[in-house]
Parts: sequence; structure tokens; C-alpha cells
Amino acid sequence: DTEVTQTPKHLVMGMTNKKSLKCEQHMGHRAMYWYKQKAKKPPELMFVYSYEKLSINESVPSRFSPECPNSSLLNLHLHALQPEDSALYLCASSQPGQHYGYTFGSGTRLTVV
Amino acid sequence: SQQGEEDPQALSIQEGENATMNCSYKTSINNLQWYRQNSGRGLVHLILIRSNEREKHSGRLRVTLDTSKKSSSLLITASRAADTASYFCATDDTGGFKTIFGAGTRLFVKA
Repeated sequence: DTEVTQTPKHLVMGMTNKKSLKCEQHMGHRAMYWYKQKAKKPPELMFVYSYEKLSINESVPSRFSPECPNSSLLNLHLHALQPEDSALYLCASSQPGQHYGYTFGSGTRLTVV
Repeated sequence: SQQGEEDPQALSIQEGENATMNCSYKTSINNLQWYRQNSGRGLVHLILIRSNEREKHSGRLRVTLDTSKKSSSLLITASRAADTASYFCATDDTGGFKTIFGAGTRLFVKA
């Protein structure tokens, strides 16, 4: 088990649905991240929250919106997704300024039908 | 675009052999990290080497970093079937705190 918990593990949604992915960590890390990973490709950074400040990958469409209710939680709200958004969505956390690398969750496998 | 590029893209070896993967990057970095990913799962952090370090060991792993060539290598000694996974290098550039992943090497260790 990792110390970053993602729910749900699997999600199937229609293109008109609204859903949310959740991520939680209790390591006191002050930075949390959402990555998207397609099959046989590396993870691509979508959003970063560091000390509650949001940074966005400009290429991410607006149908994805992150929310950081507190320093331990990170949500990813999904709305009007397309089939090409089907992927593994990974959450990670780290402590900025510390050279310990990232801790990843197990991911949410999202299928858009 | 991805910061790191790795080679080979795929590597198949026998159990007990050593596996070497290489990573090249483009910009100045604070550190370089290696991760392992088993099929369809989350990534596991293996080792981090800082920009002022040249070599680092952790168990059967040995990482080198050559900042003049902007390259790193990961050596797994005495490989096991359980080492079968994808391996990614990732860099934190000096311009920020974002970690960018290379394309990855898929390692197959045959028993």
C-alpha cells in the first residue's frame, strides 16, 4: 500500500457525466500533483498545488478542474469528457525543497464511453 | 515536450544478468530521479541523485549522473523476474518544482 490514497480505483463514465477523482495523503507534504498517463507512455503533468498555490499545464482542457480543499486532499473534477480522456490518472505528493522524490498513489483507471 | 529521453525503449534479459538503462535530458536540473512502474499501477520512487552528485547506490541499484553530458544511467545488478517493469527517469529543472518524465524503458527479465 502506498501512502497516497486515490479513489476510486476504476471509473467508467459517459461523456455527459460529472465525476470527481479523490486523492489524500497524510505525510505532511505541501505539494500535490495530478498526472495523466496513456498506455505505454510516460505520465504527463496536469496540475500542481504547492503551498495551496495552483500551477496549470496550459495544454490541459478546461473539462478537467482541480480542487485542493486542504493540504492533505486533492480532487480532480471531470465534466463532459471525451473518449480520448480515457487514461490512468495518477496523484502524487512531495515536500518542496526536500530531495526525496515523489510518492505516487496507485491511480484511477478512467474509461470514458 | 518531455524533458528526458531514455534508451533502450525495451530491454529483455535473463534472470541474473545486469540491466542498464540510459536517460538524457535537455535543461539544467536540481536533481534526477528514477521510478519503477508495474503494469497499470502507480510509480514507485527508486532513487534520487542531486545535480552535484556523480554516483549513488541503493541495494542492487546504481545510478550515475553526468551533468556535462546531461545524461544518467540506471544499473540493476543480478536482475530478478520481479524487476520486470517500466523504468522512468524524471527531472526537476532549476526553473521550478515540476517533475517531468522521460519516455521510459520497458524491462523484461526472463526466469
